[in-house]
Amino acid sequence: NAGVTQTPKFQVLKTGQSMTLQCAQDMNHNSMYWYRQDPGMGLRLIYYSASEGTTDKGEVPNGYNVSRLNKREFSLRLESAAPSQTSVYFCASSIRQDRVDEQFFGPGTRLTVL
Amino acid sequence: GDSVTQMEGPVTLSEEAFLTINCTYTATGYPSLFWYVQYPGEGLQLLLKATKADDKGSNKGFEATYRKETTSFHLEKGSVQVSDSAVYFCALSQGGKLIFGQGTELSVKP
Repeated sequence: NAGVTQTPKFQVLKTGQSMTLQCAQDMNHNSMYWYRQDPGMGLRLIYYSASEGTTDKGEVPNGYNVSRLNKREFSLRLESAAPSQTSVYFCASSIRQDRVDEQFFGPGTRLTVL
Repeated sequence: GDSVTQMEGPVTLSEEAFLTINCTYTATGYPSLFWYVQYPGEGLQLLLKATKADDKGSNKGFEATYRKETTSFHLEKGSVQVSDSAVYFCALSQGGKLIFGQGTELSVKP
């Protein structure tokens, strides 16, 4: 089992460019999450998907969109990147949304926006 | 709203020293509390958890006790190793979501 995988590992964008971060899990989990990690601020929830076919905003959704493509995959899109979106992005999954204590995290994508 | 506050890092210790990382929280109701660890270049892993007041979570020599009266969940280890060097995050669960503290970087020197 690979667990939670994310691509790419690193990305550099120019202001205004768009890109999609990919996340996949092979644990048959129902719920998936996108976080961003900034120095001195811990992890903040961007969007989550409690189950296939549903998505909801988290704490910091502005500037992002998500797609729950199927049960395995949950992508995060930046339509017009801004320097404030420079961050490390983590995807996570859990068997159900109420089982937050069993969230499994991917290795992260380090994004720099110039 | 709900929040978690951790002690500032980085924390630098010598091998076999005693470790305490302070964590306090503000929350409505009675959340579950967690410590996550992030090793260099990796994602977060659950280290330990406690689901109600006075519960003690423990794993890999680390311990933390859920103290409702002081709204705290301090992480302790009696004797740290170089391999414990990582960033440690305190978190609480509320409404099916995790709320994280800012993280404390620990560096253990041989």
